[in-house]
Amino acid sequence: DQQVKQNSPSLSVQEGRISILNCDYTNSMFDYFLWYKKYPAEGPTFLISISSIKDKNEDGRFTVFLNKSAKHLSLHIVPSQPGDSAVYFCAASGVVSGNTGKLIFGQGTTLQVKP
Amino acid sequence: GAGVSQSPRYKVAKRGQDVALRCDPISGHVSLFWYQQALGQGPEFLTYFQNEAQLDKSGLPSDRFFAERPEGSVSTLKIQRTQQEDSAVYLCASSNSRSGANVLTFGAGSRLTVL
Repeated sequence: DQQVKQNSPSLSVQEGRISILNCDYTNSMFDYFLWYKKYPAEGPTFLISISSIKDKNEDGRFTVFLNKSAKHLSLHIVPSQPGDSAVYFCAASGVVSGNTGKLIFGQGTTLQVKP
Repeated sequence: GAGVSQSPRYKVAKRGQDVALRCDPISGHVSLFWYQQALGQGPEFLTYFQNEAQLDKSGLPSDRFFAERPEGSVSTLKIQRTQQEDSAVYLCASSNSRSGANVLTFGAGSRLTVL
């Protein structure tokens, strides 16, 4: 079973507009969530994270929102830039994953920002 | 080193051959993870080391997969008698946390193609 799901394989937005990437999880024992960004032929790079004790975390153009009751998180990028075009992965960890820091990843969403 | 280094970046193997993939984590990082990323999917956990101890190998898909980290730094993932379904990018990640919420730093990956 997929414990972390990104149901949108792709998203296309215009430069300057907001990009919203969504992620759902099934296990309420996850307590730490991260977003990674991946360019072709490179490894995933850390973007932003949020602990389950918070519902929002902001870093520059990037904001992550967590809705624990809905088991849903989202990444907002505003304004979107062409350099943001990449694959975005949602990941989760917690006691349920052995509390080792092991991350469970979603399938990824490919974001294209058009100039 | 400054980042996680993986070699080889690309490996083509004939079905039935053995392969070895190397990971040099960030110096001083206690935790080391191996992930497998199939085309169009998110990274999937294979195994986890804390120093030289392999604490979790629940993600290894078969007994043909073996990982080691004998001195608690460099790690090697070995795949014996490779099969076509082993074709994937193998990602190594490290962190300086022993447990709980932490950010993994990934290498660029080793892309394995089994013919």
